[in-house]
Amino acid sequence: AQSVTQLGSHVSVSEGALVLLRCNYSSSVPPYLFWYVQYPNQGLQLLLKYTSAATLVKGINGFEAEFKKSETSFHLTKPSAHMSDAAEYFCAVIYAGGTSYGKLTFGQGTILTVHP
Amino acid sequence: DAMVIQNPRYQVTQFGKPVTLSCSQTLNHNVMYWYQQKSSQAPKLLFHYYDKDFNNEADTPDNFQSRRPNTSFCFLDIRSPGLGDAAMYLCATSRDLPTSSPSDTQYFGPGTRLTVL
Repeated sequence: AQSVTQLGSHVSVSEGALVLLRCNYSSSVPPYLFWYVQYPNQGLQLLLKYTSAATLVKGINGFEAEFKKSETSFHLTKPSAHMSDAAEYFCAVIYAGGTSYGKLTFGQGTILTVHP
Repeated sequence: DAMVIQNPRYQVTQFGKPVTLSCSQTLNHNVMYWYQQKSSQAPKLLFHYYDKDFNNEADTPDNFQSRRPNTSFCFLDIRSPGLGDAAMYLCATSRDLPTSSPSDTQYFGPGTRLTVL
């Protein structure tokens, strides 16, 4: 079945350190890829999305993600973590075919903790 | 500035007592979605409307219904809430269907947290 996998349900970094949140998809055909952020008791906010225009995608709040077809990955990074980045991050995909065709499918989420 | 609005933000209901959650949007989008998100889980699509056309996910229980009286509003009705229905319910909108425009962003509301006593 088509899926999206986020490695690491919890990631902890120090303020000012690099943030790396991992996401892998399972399809031979590159899907459309999204990263959303969710703060406690809030809805989801789009950080960035990959739509085949450019492999390095820049988003809001200093985040960026690189699409790597050879690794079927779309990892999210930020050079320097801020306390306000503490939240849950969801990778999501839309596949162009298959059992999950046309549906936004979410990974299980990664909770990012930033400590002083 | 709010684009997708959900009311109420917190809803408490009793086991078996019908409850309605509401969603409105100012984006004039064609598609409106309802997702269920249980604690520490990813959002799960329940159903969506494209204009007035309703599409139910195959595994959505019959206990869940939806209405979309006009472009701006969409309601989620839970006919007989059980303890397992306690969750965050997220409404989202997009300009077009993912099958037609997969790059369209889905805009989410702040959610309604439902507690079932």
